[in-house]
Amino acid sequence: EVQLVESGGGLVQPGGSLRLSCAASGFTFRSFRMHWVRQAPGKGLVWVSRSDSGGSTTYADSVKGRFTISRDNAKSTLYLQMNSLTVEDTAVYYCARDGDGIASAHFDYWGQGTLVTVSS
Amino acid sequence: SYELTQPPSVSVSPGQTASITCSGEKLGDKFACWYQQKPGQSPVLVIYQDSKRPSGIPERFSGSNSGNTATLTISGTQSMDEADYYCQAWDSGTARGVFGGGTKLTVL
Repeated sequence: EVQLVESGGGLVQPGGSLRLSCAASGFTFRSFRMHWVRQAPGKGLVWVSRSDSGGSTTYADSVKGRFTISRDNAKSTLYLQMNSLTVEDTAVYYCARDGDGIASAHFDYWGQGTLVTVSS
Repeated sequence: SYELTQPPSVSVSPGQTASITCSGEKLGDKFACWYQQKPGQSPVLVIYQDSKRPSGIPERFSGSNSGNTATLTISGTQSMDEADYYCQAWDSGTARGVFGGGTKLTVL
């Protein structure tokens, strides 16, 4: 059974940092592209970042230069290092597995999400 | 940057057919997919690669994609289908994902 379990969320002050983790199980993690998607309270889904199995990464404009996605294939874990956080980064952060990862992308499994609250 | 547009809300009577659209420039040249999200839950993939259903998704969910518009169709809509629905595509030029703004489906 595929499982994705996020952790690391919490309350942080503006300008602070946080590192999210996503522990994967039930599939060959190193073979799949993985993503982070966020959802601000009462708002829609927003794609944040992607990590290919080969190591390539991309970011949404809103987080580029502040967030860093990485993965440890030996631990089957995806990470999101978030720096210079602002109130606009307040959201539930989901990690998601990419069921395609070749010509396109669709997210066939999602974690339960971890809430990040940026507030003074 | 690439954008996808959805109507904010759609209403349907039980047993009727609901159609939710998603518009984007030359969207038909990309693969579109759809997610269902109920309050307090993580999204669930209901359609991928325009028209394919993942295992466990009822046959009443179908999808199409042509020109500038992708459509999610729910036939014989049930009260359990009341949820927010999001379309999504992959912008291969920038290697970034894109979501539509979401559509709240009300079954009444």
